[in-house]
Amino acid sequence: KNEVEQSPQNLTAQEGEFITINCSYSVGISALHWLQQHPGGGIVSLFMLSSGKKKHGRLIATINIQEKHSSLHITASHPRDSAVYICAVTGNQFYFGTGTSLTVIP
Amino acid sequence: DAGVIQSPRHEVTEMGQEVTLRCKPISGHNSLFWYRQTMMRGLELLIYFNNNVPIDDSGMPEDRFSAKMPNASFSTLKIQPSEPRDSAVYFCASSLAETQYFGPGTRLLVL
Repeated sequence: KNEVEQSPQNLTAQEGEFITINCSYSVGISALHWLQQHPGGGIVSLFMLSSGKKKHGRLIATINIQEKHSSLHITASHPRDSAVYICAVTGNQFYFGTGTSLTVIP
Repeated sequence: DAGVIQSPRHEVTEMGQEVTLRCKPISGHNSLFWYRQTMMRGLELLIYFNNNVPIDDSGMPEDRFSAKMPNASFSTLKIQPSEPRDSAVYFCASSLAETQYFGPGTRLLVL
């Protein structure tokens, strides 16, 4: 069993749609990270959360510590949002989800 | 700032050879991370340093892997001897607070 589970694994959306990617974890954590990996391979850290909600532009990340669940939302999605989104948690160790591959179609 | 710099960007080597990957973190950052990414295992944290001191190396696969950070502006990840299963993309990242900034990665192929 993976310590971090993401869903869906793959997601295709029309430009402008509201997108939600989910992350559930089974270990105690001190923080949760959302990463974005572009088709060229580069990785960008989007958020680090330990509670509540954070917003950056069209991206919103939430975390529910009691339910061990986080969501990443993208409002008004755009083709340039096409990427793999990876959830990672830090506690005693780092654990990574397998990623959600998002494709936004114009 | 140029961001996190990694070299080489690509490396092809033969099994048994020594491989050294290099990383220059963003100036002023006090934490440095080495990650490995493969299709089979995804992203994995190998080791991270805080103020040049290794804090957690539990992700280092085996004794063939070693990492050093002799000063705040330079780190190396060495594989000796290399094996085909070490083929992966190796990322270095640095941070000062919450956000990690990733380098472009080194794509390693061990034949």
